[in-house]
Amino acid sequence: DTAVSQTPKYLVTQMGNDKSIKCEQNLGHDTMYWYKQDSKKFLKIMFSYNNKELIINETVPNRFSPKSPDKAHLNLHINSLELGDSAVYFCASRGGNSPLHFGNGTRLTVT
Amino acid sequence: AQSVSQHNHHVILSEAASLELGCNYSYGGTVNLFWYVQYPGQHLQLLLKYFSGDPLVKGIKGFEAEFIKSKFSFNLRKPSVQWSDTAEYFCAVNTNAGKSTFGDGTTLTVKP
Repeated sequence: DTAVSQTPKYLVTQMGNDKSIKCEQNLGHDTMYWYKQDSKKFLKIMFSYNNKELIINETVPNRFSPKSPDKAHLNLHINSLELGDSAVYFCASRGGNSPLHFGNGTRLTVT
Repeated sequence: AQSVSQHNHHVILSEAASLELGCNYSYGGTVNLFWYVQYPGQHLQLLLKYFSGDPLVKGIKGFEAEFIKSKFSFNLRKPSVQWSDTAEYFCAVNTNAGKSTFGDGTTLTVKP
Protein backbone atom coordinates (compact mmCIF):
# COMPACT_ATOMS: atom_id res chain seq x y z
CA ASP A 1 0.00 0.00 0.00
CA THR A 2 1.50 3.30 -1.06
CA ALA A 3 1.15 5.83 1.73
CA VAL A 4 1.61 8.98 -0.36
CA SER A 5 1.02 8.56 -4.05
CA GLN A 6 1.36 11.18 -6.71
CA THR A 7 0.69 11.10 -10.42
CA PRO A 8 2.08 11.30 -12.95
CA LYS A 9 5.61 10.16 -12.27
CA TYR A 10 6.93 11.89 -15.36
CA LEU A 11 5.48 14.89 -17.14
CA VAL A 12 6.99 16.33 -20.31
CA THR A 13 5.26 19.33 -21.79
CA GLN A 14 5.85 22.47 -23.79
CA MET A 15 6.14 26.02 -22.56
CA GLY A 16 2.84 27.78 -22.16
CA ASN A 17 0.84 24.66 -21.41
CA ASP A 18 -1.21 24.08 -18.26
CA LYS A 19 -0.70 20.88 -16.29
CA SER A 20 -1.78 19.30 -13.02
CA ILE A 21 -0.13 16.92 -10.57
CA LYS A 22 -2.26 14.90 -8.19
CA CYS A 23 -1.44 13.65 -4.73
CA GLU A 24 -3.26 11.37 -2.35
CA GLN A 25 -2.32 10.05 1.08
CA ASN A 26 -3.92 7.18 2.96
CA LEU A 27 -2.22 7.82 6.29
CA GLY A 28 -5.00 9.87 7.82
CA HIS A 29 -2.69 12.87 8.12
CA ASP A 30 -4.15 16.34 8.48
CA THR A 31 -1.36 18.24 6.76
CA MET A 32 -0.11 17.96 3.21
CA TYR A 33 2.67 19.77 1.37
CA TRP A 34 4.15 20.46 -2.02
CA TYR A 35 7.91 20.73 -2.30
CA LYS A 36 10.01 21.60 -5.34
CA GLN A 37 13.44 20.05 -5.81
CA ASP A 38 15.59 21.72 -8.43
CA SER A 39 18.49 20.35 -10.43
CA LYS A 40 20.89 21.11 -7.57
CA LYS A 41 18.74 18.98 -5.25
CA PHE A 42 17.66 22.00 -3.21
CA LEU A 43 14.32 21.27 -1.59
CA LYS A 44 11.96 24.20 -1.12
CA ILE A 45 8.50 24.21 0.36
CA MET A 46 5.80 25.66 -1.85
CA PHE A 47 2.49 25.13 -0.11
CA SER A 48 0.98 23.43 2.90
CA TYR A 49 -2.63 22.59 3.65
CA ASN A 50 -4.08 21.55 6.96
CA ASN A 51 -7.52 20.02 6.79
CA LYS A 52 -8.14 21.63 3.40
CA GLU A 53 -7.03 25.04 4.62
CA LEU A 54 -3.99 26.76 3.13
CA ILE A 55 -1.51 27.43 5.93
CA ILE A 56 1.79 27.93 4.14
CA ASN A 57 2.15 29.79 0.88
CA GLU A 58 5.76 30.54 0.13
CA THR A 59 6.94 32.95 -2.52
CA VAL A 60 5.68 31.04 -5.52
CA PRO A 61 4.43 32.51 -8.82
CA ASN A 62 0.67 32.70 -8.89
CA ARG A 63 0.77 30.43 -11.94
CA PHE A 64 0.95 27.68 -9.30
CA SER A 65 -2.35 26.96 -7.62
CA PRO A 66 -2.86 24.20 -5.08
CA LYS A 67 -6.24 22.67 -4.45
CA SER A 68 -7.30 20.39 -1.64
CA PRO A 69 -10.73 18.85 -2.17
CA ASP A 70 -10.39 16.93 1.11
CA LYS A 71 -7.65 16.32 3.63
CA ALA A 72 -6.44 13.21 1.81
CA HIS A 73 -5.81 15.00 -1.47
CA LEU A 74 -3.67 17.92 -2.51
CA ASN A 75 -3.34 18.72 -6.18
CA LEU A 76 -1.07 21.22 -7.88
CA HIS A 77 -2.09 23.04 -11.01
CA ILE A 78 0.43 25.01 -13.02
CA ASN A 79 -0.58 27.52 -15.66
CA SER A 80 1.55 28.84 -18.52
CA LEU A 81 4.49 26.56 -17.82
CA GLU A 82 7.98 28.02 -18.15
CA LEU A 83 11.38 26.40 -18.66
CA GLY A 84 12.33 27.27 -15.09
CA ASP A 85 9.47 25.17 -13.77
CA SER A 86 11.36 22.03 -14.73
CA ALA A 87 12.07 20.20 -11.48
CA VAL A 88 10.94 17.28 -9.37
CA TYR A 89 7.83 18.06 -7.36
CA PHE A 90 7.27 16.10 -4.17
CA CYS A 91 4.05 15.78 -2.28
CA ALA A 92 4.31 15.01 1.42
CA SER A 93 2.04 14.56 4.39
CA ARG A 94 2.41 14.70 8.12
CA GLY A 95 0.32 13.95 11.19
CA GLY A 96 0.91 16.37 14.07
CA ASN A 97 4.61 17.06 14.44
CA SER A 98 5.71 13.70 13.08
CA PRO A 99 8.21 13.22 10.23
CA LEU A 100 7.16 13.95 6.70
CA HIS A 101 6.08 11.11 4.44
CA PHE A 102 7.00 11.82 0.86
CA GLY A 103 5.53 10.66 -2.40
CA ASN A 104 7.78 9.32 -5.14
CA GLY A 105 7.93 12.63 -6.93
CA THR A 106 6.85 13.96 -10.30
CA ARG A 107 9.64 14.88 -12.68
CA LEU A 108 8.39 17.81 -14.73
CA THR A 109 10.29 18.71 -17.88
CA VAL A 110 9.25 21.82 -19.77
CA THR A 111 10.59 22.09 -23.31
CA ALA B 1 12.59 32.96 10.43
CA GLN B 2 14.06 29.53 10.91
CA SER B 3 16.87 28.29 8.73
CA VAL B 4 18.96 25.16 8.40
CA SER B 5 22.57 25.11 7.30
CA GLN B 6 24.43 22.05 6.10
CA HIS B 7 28.11 22.78 5.84
CA ASN B 8 29.20 20.02 3.54
CA HIS B 9 27.83 20.18 0.04
CA HIS B 10 29.62 17.15 -1.35
CA VAL B 11 31.45 14.52 0.65
CA ILE B 12 33.46 11.75 -0.95
CA LEU B 13 34.58 8.82 1.16
CA SER B 14 35.96 5.35 0.71
CA GLU B 15 34.09 2.37 2.09
CA ALA B 16 34.63 1.79 5.81
CA ALA B 17 35.51 5.42 6.41
CA SER B 18 33.71 7.29 9.16
CA LEU B 19 31.13 9.93 8.31
CA GLU B 20 30.04 13.12 9.98
CA LEU B 21 27.71 15.59 8.27
CA GLY B 22 27.17 18.94 9.90
CA CYS B 23 23.80 20.57 10.45
CA ASN B 24 23.07 23.81 12.27
CA TYR B 25 19.73 25.50 12.62
CA SER B 26 18.57 28.89 13.71
CA TYR B 27 15.36 29.07 15.68
CA GLY B 28 14.84 30.26 19.21
CA GLY B 29 11.96 28.02 20.20
CA THR B 30 11.33 24.33 20.56
CA VAL B 31 12.28 22.30 17.53
CA ASN B 32 12.05 18.77 16.31
CA LEU B 33 14.99 17.65 14.21
CA PHE B 34 15.25 15.16 11.40
CA TRP B 35 17.65 13.66 8.95
CA TYR B 36 16.26 12.37 5.68
CA VAL B 37 18.04 10.37 3.00
CA GLN B 38 17.31 10.43 -0.73
CA TYR B 39 18.83 7.56 -2.70
CA PRO B 40 19.43 8.21 -6.41
CA GLY B 41 16.17 8.55 -8.26
CA GLN B 42 14.05 8.04 -5.17
CA HIS B 43 12.04 10.10 -2.72
CA LEU B 44 13.14 11.28 0.70
CA GLN B 45 12.96 8.79 3.55
CA LEU B 46 13.39 9.34 7.25
CA LEU B 47 16.75 8.31 8.71
CA LEU B 48 16.22 9.46 12.27
CA LYS B 49 14.51 12.07 14.39
CA TYR B 50 14.92 13.92 17.65
CA PHE B 51 11.98 15.20 19.67
CA SER B 52 13.20 15.19 23.26
CA GLY B 53 15.13 13.12 25.77
CA ASP B 54 18.48 11.51 25.03
CA PRO B 55 20.28 13.88 22.65
CA LEU B 56 22.01 10.97 20.96
CA VAL B 57 19.52 9.31 18.65
CA LYS B 58 19.99 6.21 16.60
CA GLY B 59 18.37 5.68 13.25
CA ILE B 60 18.25 3.08 10.55
CA LYS B 61 21.24 1.55 8.79
CA GLY B 62 23.70 2.37 11.57
CA PHE B 63 23.25 6.13 11.45
CA GLU B 64 23.12 8.26 14.56
CA ALA B 65 22.89 11.96 15.30
CA GLU B 66 23.63 14.11 18.30
CA PHE B 67 21.60 17.14 19.29
CA ILE B 68 23.71 19.81 20.96
CA LYS B 69 21.32 22.51 22.07
CA SER B 70 24.00 25.04 22.97
CA LYS B 71 25.44 24.80 19.48
CA PHE B 72 22.11 24.56 17.66
CA SER B 73 23.54 21.53 15.95
CA PHE B 74 22.31 18.10 14.92
CA ASN B 75 25.20 16.35 13.21
CA LEU B 76 24.79 13.00 11.50
CA ARG B 77 27.35 10.25 12.00
CA LYS B 78 28.11 6.74 10.86
CA PRO B 79 31.22 4.86 11.98
CA SER B 80 31.74 2.93 8.76
CA VAL B 81 30.04 3.85 5.49
CA GLN B 82 29.14 1.47 2.70
CA TRP B 83 28.85 1.98 -1.02
CA SER B 84 25.06 1.72 -0.63
CA ASP B 85 25.09 4.86 1.55
CA THR B 86 25.71 6.95 -1.55
CA ALA B 87 22.81 9.38 -1.49
CA GLU B 88 21.67 12.91 -0.75
CA TYR B 89 21.23 13.72 2.94
CA PHE B 90 18.94 16.44 4.23
CA CYS B 91 18.70 17.91 7.69
CA ALA B 92 15.31 19.36 8.58
CA VAL B 93 13.69 21.29 11.39
CA ASN B 94 10.05 21.35 12.46
CA THR B 95 8.84 24.22 14.57
CA ASN B 96 5.75 24.50 16.71
CA ALA B 97 4.12 26.38 13.87
CA GLY B 98 4.21 23.17 11.89
CA LYS B 99 6.64 24.35 9.27
CA SER B 100 9.39 22.04 8.03
CA THR B 101 12.56 23.71 6.81
CA PHE B 102 15.23 21.75 5.00
CA GLY B 103 18.93 22.34 4.60
CA ASP B 104 20.37 22.46 1.11
CA GLY B 105 21.45 18.84 1.32
CA THR B 106 24.78 17.03 1.28
CA THR B 107 25.70 14.69 -1.52
CA LEU B 108 27.58 11.69 -0.16
CA THR B 109 29.56 9.57 -2.60
CA VAL B 110 31.09 6.38 -1.24
CA LYS B 111 33.76 4.79 -3.40
CA PRO B 112 33.84 1.00 -3.35
